[in-house]
Amino acid sequence: EDQVTQSPEALRLQEGESSSLNCSYTVSGLRGLFWYRQDPGKGPEFLFTLYSAGEEKEKERLKATLTKKESFLHITAPKPEDSATYLCAVLGSGNTGKLIFGQGTTLQVKP
Amino acid sequence: NAGVMQNPRHLVRRRGQEARLRCSPVKGHSHVYWYRQLPEEGLKFMVYLQKENIIDESGMPKERFSAEFPKEGPSILRIQQVVRGDSAAYFCASSPGEEAFFGQGTRLTVV
Repeated sequence: EDQVTQSPEALRLQEGESSSLNCSYTVSGLRGLFWYRQDPGKGPEFLFTLYSAGEEKEKERLKATLTKKESFLHITAPKPEDSATYLCAVLGSGNTGKLIFGQGTTLQVKP
Repeated sequence: NAGVMQNPRHLVRRRGQEARLRCSPVKGHSHVYWYRQLPEEGLKFMVYLQKENIIDESGMPKERFSAEFPKEGPSILRIQQVVRGDSAAYFCASSPGEEAFFGQGTRLTVV
């Protein structure tokens, strides 16, 4: 069964303090790993898609990397506006297109 | 460019009533997904539809829940005889292929 586990559940950082969020997954045939950002009361906002081990993608202060078993979302010099819940999801070859989501990591960046 | 539009944003129903949630996908997207987010839980897949077809409803409760995506008009998620446990945020996503883009959700409260 496809499964996604994110850690930590919650993370508090000072502004400018870099860190990483982890997403561990088991999936039968990875078609894609996705990162989303979700603000309170809003829908998930698409950030990145990673397809194969070794792939990296960057957007502003965020960088996503992928290995065969996990993905990391690195946040460099975060700002308070980066505070949100970050969701990881996988798409496996054994299903029709449904995403399997982790529980998310709630990030709080204090000024 | 309009994103995925969901309405209503908030819906209050008494136990036993029907709830109808609407989703208009991004123009040109032919894949529509519905997900449910219960309080303190992650996003869970419910159903995957293409125009006039249900492709995968493996995440949909067997009773009281139904979904459609007609040739014309929005996709509809229908919940009959709602119970308190149906209170949740319901998100619709549309996709041109593998990357899914989410709406802002409908927050259903059953009183």
